[in-house]
Amino acid sequence: KQEVTQIPAALSVPEGENLVLNCSFTDSAIYNLQWFRQDPGKGLTSLLLIQSSQREQTSGRLNASLDKSSGRSTLYIAASQPGDSATYLCAVRPGGTGGFKTIFGAGTRLFVKA
Amino acid sequence: NAGVMQNPRHLVRRRGQEARLRCSPVKGHSHVYWYRQLPEEGLKFMVYLQKENIIDESGMPKERFSAEFPKEGPSILRIQQVVRGDSAAYFCASSPTVDTEAFFGQGTRLTVV
Repeated sequence: KQEVTQIPAALSVPEGENLVLNCSFTDSAIYNLQWFRQDPGKGLTSLLLIQSSQREQTSGRLNASLDKSSGRSTLYIAASQPGDSATYLCAVRPGGTGGFKTIFGAGTRLFVKA
Repeated sequence: NAGVMQNPRHLVRRRGQEARLRCSPVKGHSHVYWYRQLPEEGLKFMVYLQKENIIDESGMPKERFSAEFPKEGPSILRIQQVVRGDSAAYFCASSPTVDTEAFFGQGTRLTVV
């Protein structure tokens, strides 16, 4: 059974710091992995989607990596800003049948201090 | 090109009442998924529907919860006789086919008082 874990659960950093959010999953047979941002009381904003055949994806100050063999993904945020404060969710889409059941981690709550 | 639209955004119900949550998928998408997010937890899969058919409802509570996706109109998640434990954010996602990326709506926040 696929399980997704995110560490740390919460993180507080000063503005300008580079940071890494971690995601681990138990079954390497995945279709893709996606990072979302969720603001308090709001919906999900997709940040980066990494297909199973890819190693990383980049968008602006964000870089996500995927290592299927070790069951890990990291989201790197460069030069953090107060506007980056949000909860970051890692979501894994399993391979094979039942792949529509995206499995979410509990999230990392990030607070960037001005 | 509207994304996934959910309404209402916020819903307050008294214990024992019924809650109806609506989801209009992206135009042209025939696959709809519902997820529930309890406070301080990640999103959990509830049900997957494809026009007029429930494909997988393994994440749905056995009682009081039902979902439909009629030929015309939005998908509806219905919760009968709500209890305080049903208070959560309910998210809907849609995709054009089962193996393509799903897009999420803004969610409906249900509060049971």
